[in-house]
Amino acid sequence: GDSVTQMEGPVTLSEEAFLTINCTYTATGYPSLFWYVQYPGEGLQLLLKATKADDKGSNKGFEATYRKETTSFHLEKGSVQVSDSAVYFCALSVDPPSTGNQFYFGTGTSLTVIP
Amino acid sequence: DGGITQSPKYLFRKEGQNVTLSCEQNLNHDAMYWYRQDPGQGLRLIYYSQIVNDFQKGDIAEGYSVSREKKESFPLTVTSAQKNPTAFYLCASSNPGLAGGPYADTQYFGPGTRLTVL
Repeated sequence: GDSVTQMEGPVTLSEEAFLTINCTYTATGYPSLFWYVQYPGEGLQLLLKATKADDKGSNKGFEATYRKETTSFHLEKGSVQVSDSAVYFCALSVDPPSTGNQFYFGTGTSLTVIP
Repeated sequence: DGGITQSPKYLFRKEGQNVTLSCEQNLNHDAMYWYRQDPGQGLRLIYYSQIVNDFQKGDIAEGYSVSREKKESFPLTVTSAQKNPTAFYLCASSNPGLAGGPYADTQYFGPGTRLTVL
């Protein structure tokens, strides 16, 4: 079936450190891949996405590359800031879906950046 | 501004009472979804609807009900049969897109409703 496996947290980094959050997926159709960010008490916001193999999604200094050969979509940022503290979700959209629902989410990784 | 609205942001109810959470979208999206999120946990799918007047159960539908009478609205009722209803509830919507194309489905989320049952 379709699924997303995401790196367990929590992750604590010092300001300006390098960030990697691992995400791997299993998909039976043609997946698109997403990273969402959730700040405390809020809904999820789309951070970036990639719709085909070798595409790189990027936004606000975050990047992730769709690697079909390793079925991965790892999130990276070269220099994190305190304002990046949030929960990050990796997600998958499959077309056509193996079941009625086509969206699958990882369990989320909590990031805390300390000054 | 296009987007998804959920109301209210905070909701308190007594045990044994049914409560309805509102979700409205003006994105002209066909599909809508309800998720539940518990503290420190990921998202769990309650119900989804791919078209008006049709909806399907997700992974944790027991104790919940929905309706989809209008494209822009997808209210969720938390019934007294839901054993542990206190949680953060998120509504989302999306539109179909070509596989691998630039319009591939993306889910857009509302701000959430925090339900506390006393």
